[in-house]
Amino acid sequence: AQTVTQSQPEMSVQEAETVTLSCTYDTSENNYYLFWYKQPPSRQMILVIRQEAYKQQNATENRFSVNFQKAAKSFSLKISDSQLGDTAMYFCAFMKHVGGAGNMLTFGGGTRLMVKP
Amino acid sequence: GAVVSQHPSWVICKSGTSVKIECRSLDFQATTMFWYRQFPKQSLMLMATSNEGSKATYEQGVEKDKFLINHASLTLSTLTVTSAHPEDSSFYICSAPLRLAAADTQYFGPGTRLTVL
Repeated sequence: AQTVTQSQPEMSVQEAETVTLSCTYDTSENNYYLFWYKQPPSRQMILVIRQEAYKQQNATENRFSVNFQKAAKSFSLKISDSQLGDTAMYFCAFMKHVGGAGNMLTFGGGTRLMVKP
Repeated sequence: GAVVSQHPSWVICKSGTSVKIECRSLDFQATTMFWYRQFPKQSLMLMATSNEGSKATYEQGVEKDKFLINHASLTLSTLTVTSAHPEDSSFYICSAPLRLAAADTQYFGPGTRLTVL
């Protein structure tokens, strides 16, 4: 079984600053995906970024980037130039890459991020 | 991008009644869909995996007779909360997986807030 741990229940950052959210996971799988999802007050889950475990290069999406350390089983999210709209709950998630696309997600407990003006 | 809808977005019902929640993948087909439950300020808890054309797979501790799942077509899964009680009040979210550019991602519906009086 997989476990995902987010050790920071809450974080805050000033607008325009940079913040890093931590995530560690435990698995015996070698082929998998890691995700960061954002859940704003509307509660709609929004995909922020995805990382395939076989890729050594860290994924980036505009202001969002990850630091993927496979050996350490660490997957942190860096948000640059933080904006007020980044205020949300952020979930780290793990998904096995086995067979088809229909594999479940295992979520961490979440980090509540507040961006202050 | 892939869109998943849920209906209704919120529902209030009396104790003892049944409530049906629909999850639709609008622009892609999904042989598998997932149902989650989320309590306030907590992470998502997987309830069951919905399989098109076959029985759902329930997570440990989830009552299959209480939470009936039907995956009627490649774009529709329904969750029926039978004989609802106040403790069933929660936020229910569905997701559907999609493989794009040889990479898998889960897309989420906007959620349904259930309140049982």
